[in-house]
Amino acid sequence: GAVVSQHPSRVICKSGTSVKIECRSLDFQATTMFWYRQFPKKSLMLMATSNEGSKATYEQGVEKDKFLINHASLTLSTLTVTSAHPEDSSFYICSARIPTGSPYNEQFFGPGTRLTVL
Amino acid sequence: GESVGLHLPTLSVQEGDNSIINCAYSNSASDYFIWYKQESGKGPQFIIDIRSNMDKRQGQRVTVLLNKTVKHLSLQIAATQPGDSAVYFCAESLQGSARQLTFGSGTQLTVLP
Repeated sequence: GAVVSQHPSRVICKSGTSVKIECRSLDFQATTMFWYRQFPKKSLMLMATSNEGSKATYEQGVEKDKFLINHASLTLSTLTVTSAHPEDSSFYICSARIPTGSPYNEQFFGPGTRLTVL
Repeated sequence: GESVGLHLPTLSVQEGDNSIINCAYSNSASDYFIWYKQESGKGPQFIIDIRSNMDKRQGQRVTVLLNKTVKHLSLQIAATQPGDSAVYFCAESLQGSARQLTFGSGTQLTVLP
């Protein structure tokens, strides 16, 4: 159980185009999903918290108009990188919180999406 | 600001030996801690967690120790195997913070044959 998938696993796009990354919880419903960004040999940096049916909460310094997040259902959140530039190239990882009713944060992560902007 | 950090960026151990990966956290209010394993090109994989009302928790070949007095967390891996080679991250969570995780900088564990 507790499987989170991401699609695509790798994407290469031209500068100026937009890219959509999907995050799905396969065997549970996730009211909250998180989007992270990771640079090579670095730690995960939280970009935003995605709540089903409401607007995402972005971390300081993350442009909400550039990184559009939609959490339209309890099993799907999408991250769209708009007008991508080479500096947006990174490893994007989503996670989903299991709504067990526990006050603790049991997150499970997707396999990540490698974005390369040419 | 508050941060979660690791003492050693790299750790090399002989196959079969025990590994100890350390983590220091600075937010004394954090009440939940998780260790993740990340292999190259993959997402983090949950290993083990511990709540702040505990000081030790054991899993299969892994043990997490929490010392709240000195704000220190460690992950012990028994009989380290080549498949254990990866980057290990500790993460902390704070009640009331929308349950966001703050990750440490990571330790690269290399298992030598």
